Amino acid sequence: GEDVEQSLFLSVREGDSSVINCTYTDSSSTYLYWYKQEPGAGLQLLTYIFSNMDMKQDQRLTVLLNKKDKHLSLRIADTQTGDSAIYFCAETPNTGGFKTIFGAGTRLFVKA
Amino acid sequence: DVKVTQSSRYLVKRTGEKVFLECVQDMDHENMFWYRQDPGLGLRLIYFSYDVKMKEKGDIPEGYSVSREKKERFSLILESASTNQTSMYLCASSLLGTATYEQYFGPGTRLTVT
Repeated sequence: GEDVEQSLFLSVREGDSSVINCTYTDSSSTYLYWYKQEPGAGLQLLTYIFSNMDMKQDQRLTVLLNKKDKHLSLRIADTQTGDSAIYFCAETPNTGGFKTIFGAGTRLFVKA
Repeated sequence: DVKVTQSSRYLVKRTGEKVFLECVQDMDHENMFWYRQDPGLGLRLIYFSYDVKMKEKGDIPEGYSVSREKKERFSLILESASTNQTSMYLCASSLLGTATYEQYFGPGTRLTVT
């Protein structure tokens, strides 16, 4: 079945790199996403990667995709206190339609 | 900028009450979604709609119904609220035909049923 799994908590010091990991089950997914949810707000798309890519870099963010292991990661370089949020991994299976499957979310704590 | 608004940020209702949660988007999106968000469980899809008057059940539709009379508005209805429906409810919308299926979320409604 469809499932997206990620760890629930991550704590890092300000200035360090953060790596949030995710595993997914549906190899047909065309796009994989990272959404960010700040306190008191809805989710906002942070970045996404197309399934035929291995890596995508966008300023401080690096997304790595290992299709063989169905593993997705988000690296945040030089993590700041403003990066404290919940990060959701998500996939849109290519089974028809537009249903997106979300993981449980990883709460990132950044210690000053 | 896409804007998705939800009628209330916080709501407190009593067991057995009928509850309406409203969601409005201003970007002419065809697809709209209702999720509930619970700690450790992430987002679970309740219902979605891909057109006016069309609706499809998500993963946890029991105890809920929806209404989509106009393209911009998608309502979630709790026919008889129960304490296990205490949760954060998130509405989202997306554009049909977009390659990335990006969803735009509202700020959420935190519902407490006592």
